[in-house]
Amino acid sequence: RKEVEQDPGPFNVPEGATVAFNCTYSNSASQSFFWYRQDCRKEPKLLMSVYSSGNEDGRFTAQLNRASQYISLLIRDSKLSDSATYLCVVIDTGGGNKLTFGTGTQLKVEL
Amino acid sequence: EPEVTQTPSHQVTQMGQEVILRCVPISNHLYFYWYRQILGQKVEFLVSFYNNEISEKSEIFDDQFSVERPDGSNFTLKIRSTKLEDSAMYFCASSGPVGEGTEAFFGQGTRLTVV
Repeated sequence: RKEVEQDPGPFNVPEGATVAFNCTYSNSASQSFFWYRQDCRKEPKLLMSVYSSGNEDGRFTAQLNRASQYISLLIRDSKLSDSATYLCVVIDTGGGNKLTFGTGTQLKVEL
Repeated sequence: EPEVTQTPSHQVTQMGQEVILRCVPISNHLYFYWYRQILGQKVEFLVSFYNNEISEKSEIFDDQFSVERPDGSNFTLKIRSTKLEDSAMYFCASSGPVGEGTEAFFGQGTRLTVV
């Protein structure tokens, strides 16, 4: 089983739509969770951290279900500029503070 | 806003040559990383560095690879004898102490092309 698993997409949605991405992780001892965004041929950029209680930042909502080892990202009222690859990232316990990336989910927002 | 900087942005090298990729992490960060991304594939962990030593490395990070923090600001990745399959985007990242903003910030990457 992959350490961090995502549906690669692409998700093609019209502007204004609501879209949800899911991610599962294999290590139950994982301690920190993030969503990063990556534009084509650019570096990953932090979108938001994911907290156990769930958190919201404008149009973006992230949720964590530790029992199911599942993370989600919801984007409301999607914009053309939201088109990118969304990366689920997990930090495990143990040394190194290593970030493990999922394969990413590609989103294309269309007119 | 503090940022991670990498040089060069693009490096072309002949197979078998040594390359050094350079990074300046965010100044008060303690953890440093190198990742790579082959075109069209996922971001892969290479190595993490903490307290002046390697804290974790992946299977990709074999004897051809080494990292160094030669002074208080730079963090370098050396590939001793490059292979065609080393062609990728290499990202440097840094993060603060565990429990205090563990999110990592990435540099803009060095695109390495081995010919």
